[in-house]
Amino acid sequence: AQTVTQSQPEMSVQEAETVTLSCTYDTSENNYYLFWYKQPPSRQMILVIRQEAYKQQNATENRFSVNFQKAAKSFSLKISDSQLGDTAMYFCAFSRKIQGAQKLVFGQGTRLTINP
Amino acid sequence: EAQVTQNPRYLITVTGKKLTVTCSQNMNHEYMSWYRQDPGLGLRQIYYSMNVEVTDKGDVPEGYKVSRKEKRNFPLILESPSPNQTSLYFCASSLRTGGLGYTFGSGTRLTVV
Repeated sequence: AQTVTQSQPEMSVQEAETVTLSCTYDTSENNYYLFWYKQPPSRQMILVIRQEAYKQQNATENRFSVNFQKAAKSFSLKISDSQLGDTAMYFCAFSRKIQGAQKLVFGQGTRLTINP
Repeated sequence: EAQVTQNPRYLITVTGKKLTVTCSQNMNHEYMSWYRQDPGLGLRQIYYSMNVEVTDKGDVPEGYKVSRKEKRNFPLILESPSPNQTSLYFCASSLRTGGLGYTFGSGTRLTVV
């Protein structure tokens, strides 16, 4: 079974600092996708960044970047120059095709607090 | 605006009283899914649908039903809700290829007393 593990239930940093959220996953698949979702207090699920497993280059979206280590099955999220608006729950998710459609499996989440 | 519309946003009900949470998407997505979110467990899939009239169980389907009579709608039905179904529920949709990720509804906070 595919599993996703986020080992940090909570993290807290000062505004403008850099923070890294960890995520490991377990799969025997070779082709899959990885995602980080942000859930602010509004509880809306917002896609932050995505990574295709067959691409070695790490994805980057403005202040958000990932460190994708396929052999180690690790997919960490780095937030640079953190802002108060980054305070949220962050979920790592793994996706693969089942019967031609996508199945997403989520980690337990990391609650990130950015302090002023 | 491309979106997944989920209603209601909040719902308090009593044990055993049938309820339906509606979900509709306007993106012509083939794939739709229901998740429940519980503290420390992340989001777990309840049911999913790959297209009209095609549905299948996810990881935690017990106590739930779904239907997909139209491509845009995917309601979640609780025939006889119980307190252990108190949770935050999300509907989501995606293209069949899935690589672009899911679009989520705004969530339904359900409390069963």
